[in-house]
Amino acid sequence: AQKITQTQPGMFVQEKEAVTLDCTYDTSDPSYGLFWYKQPSSGEMIFLIYQGSYDQQNATEGRYSLNFQKARKSANLVISASQLGDSAMYFCAMREGWGYGNKLVFGAGTILRVKS
Amino acid sequence: EAQVTQNPRYLITVTGKKLTVTCSQNMNHEYMSWYRQDPGLGLRQIYYSMNVEVTDKGDVPEGYKVSRKEKRNFPLILESPSPNQTSLYFCASSSGLAELPWNEQFFGPGTRLTVL
Repeated sequence: AQKITQTQPGMFVQEKEAVTLDCTYDTSDPSYGLFWYKQPSSGEMIFLIYQGSYDQQNATEGRYSLNFQKARKSANLVISASQLGDSAMYFCAMREGWGYGNKLVFGAGTILRVKS
Repeated sequence: EAQVTQNPRYLITVTGKKLTVTCSQNMNHEYMSWYRQDPGLGLRQIYYSMNVEVTDKGDVPEGYKVSRKEKRNFPLILESPSPNQTSLYFCASSSGLAELPWNEQFFGPGTRLTVL
């Protein structure tokens, strides 16, 4: 079974509008972390935001926020006030357990295009 | 500047010609990992290392070798590359401190490999 599912292969959003990128996950481990990464056309992986499974509040980092719904096992990324520079591939990833060196499991990604 | 470096950034080679992709980090991280990125599949872990002389297979290890003789370096070796190893490769590192609530993985810039 897929551990991380991103159901939107591609999305468009108008500049200055908000956009939500979907991510659902599957784990039986009570301790896990959820990450979002941005990959621009240049290829590097840029860390955006993190949510821990025991965190009571949704994570926020500037224009990025994570809509964490634990019971539904979803961790959607919300980008407010989209900018042209937000056009990129976005990956949701999960790390199970707090242990030493656990791997990241990635979703297939969502390509976001911001229109002017 | 804290960083993970990879070389080469781009490589075109032919089937069967042994190659090595180098990875080096200057953050004194214990944990290092290799991922490959393929369209529609996200990033998948190839091999990882929890410390010097300690390596283990990830999800897609076939056709790859690694070594960890020094803490800072974690080269990826393709003994006999094949076209199905054409991909974008990322090296990543993170601290192995278990008391941290989360370990962000720092990614290298990526190596785009084409095997003809």
